[in-house]
Amino acid sequence: NAGVTQTPKFRILKIGQSMTLQCTQDMNHNYMYWYRQDPGMGLKLIYYSVGAGITDKGEVPNGYNVSRSTTEDFPLRLELAAPSQTSVYFCASSYGASNQPQHFGDGTRLSIL
Amino acid sequence: DQQVKQNSPSLSVQEGRISILNCDYTNSMFDYFLWYKKYPAEGPTFLISISSIKDKNEDGRFTVFLNKSAKHLSLHIVPSQPGDSAVYFCAASELRGNLIFGKGTKLSVKP
Repeated sequence: NAGVTQTPKFRILKIGQSMTLQCTQDMNHNYMYWYRQDPGMGLKLIYYSVGAGITDKGEVPNGYNVSRSTTEDFPLRLELAAPSQTSVYFCASSYGASNQPQHFGDGTRLSIL
Repeated sequence: DQQVKQNSPSLSVQEGRISILNCDYTNSMFDYFLWYKKYPAEGPTFLISISSIKDKNEDGRFTVFLNKSAKHLSLHIVPSQPGDSAVYFCAASELRGNLIFGKGTKLSVKP
């Protein structure tokens, strides 16, 4: 019963490098989300998707891109890593809209040096 | 401009006593509220929720109270257990909107 799986768990990047954070869910959820959590702060929504082929910006989308080619996968792309993107990234999924509880992965801790 | 505020960064409670975590919000259009619990190095897990049409929801040791006129909700844990030690996030949303999270309150339950 995997739920939401994120890879990698940790990563260190150099400024200007690019990478993709992977997220997959096995609950057949329509909705998927990417959040970032900075130290001492709450989670802020980066991008979300209401179904395969449909994505939309959240509160803090700048510097990121997403795609949703399948129901299961929702990768987050950083094209030109910047120190301000050092954070913990959480992927989540839910069956329906905001009144359905979201299920979270265990996060990817990303440091940009 | 924080729409969801958890003004207590931390709370320490003795095992067996009641833990009360508070949350205030500014957006009167919020109609659904959730509490999440987070252990270190893990993702948040859903704990309990309440719709704006209710003022109380109970699930075992956990009860959430909503005071719409004060734009305030609280999570009560009775009795508190050491395993409840975690960071608790309050979150709110408008109908079909996205979740807005507070900064969290770290609860420590002492044996």
